[in-house]
Amino acid sequence: GQNIDQPTEMTATEGAIVQINCTYQTSGFNGLFWYQQHAGEAPTFLSYNVLDGLEEKGRFSSFLSRSKGYSYLLLKELQMKDSASYLCACPGAAGNKLTFGGGTRVLVKP
Amino acid sequence: GAVVSQHPSRVICKSGTSVKIECRSLDFQATTMFWYRQFPKQSLMLMATSNEGSKATYEQGVEKDKFLINHASLTLSTLTVTSAHPEDSSFYICSARDPSGIATGELFFGEGSRLTVL
Repeated sequence: GQNIDQPTEMTATEGAIVQINCTYQTSGFNGLFWYQQHAGEAPTFLSYNVLDGLEEKGRFSSFLSRSKGYSYLLLKELQMKDSASYLCACPGAAGNKLTFGGGTRVLVKP
Repeated sequence: GAVVSQHPSRVICKSGTSVKIECRSLDFQATTMFWYRQFPKQSLMLMATSNEGSKATYEQGVEKDKFLINHASLTLSTLTVTSAHPEDSSFYICSARDPSGIATGELFFGEGSRLTVL
């Protein structure tokens, strides 16, 4: 089975940095995804990590440590439009279906 | 990038009626599609895996006779909520994997369908 944990809510100020942590336990590891979901909309892909280390993509970066079963999503220079839920997800052992964590709601304040 | 289209985006129905939601892959063929359900302020929960040409695989606790899935072609999967009740009111999202995606697990999502059962 799979178990994916992330905080339920975080609040940050516009222009600041926020780090969203995700810990996972999977029977077989096939990478880790981060998705962004605005209220009432479908999730959109942010990042994919399969090797250890930091992947930077503009204001968003994602980190993975396979030995620790840990990942984080780093959002820099926060903007109001970044207020959304951020979902950590792992594929199953066969690499097919994607299991999501509970999601972290990020509220960006002025 | 790959596009998945879902219809309808919103539907309101009376208790006891059935509702059909369509999910189409617009520019690629999807042998497998996934149906998720999301209640307010909760994450996406996988309901079932839709397989073209064969029966869907349902997750534990999901009633296959209530949530009928048909994967009629390589670009279309449908979810029918039969005899809907207010507790079935939720956001239903379909997704598919584009073989040209960056990883085996990357999913492309439809716009979602918000079902309200009165």
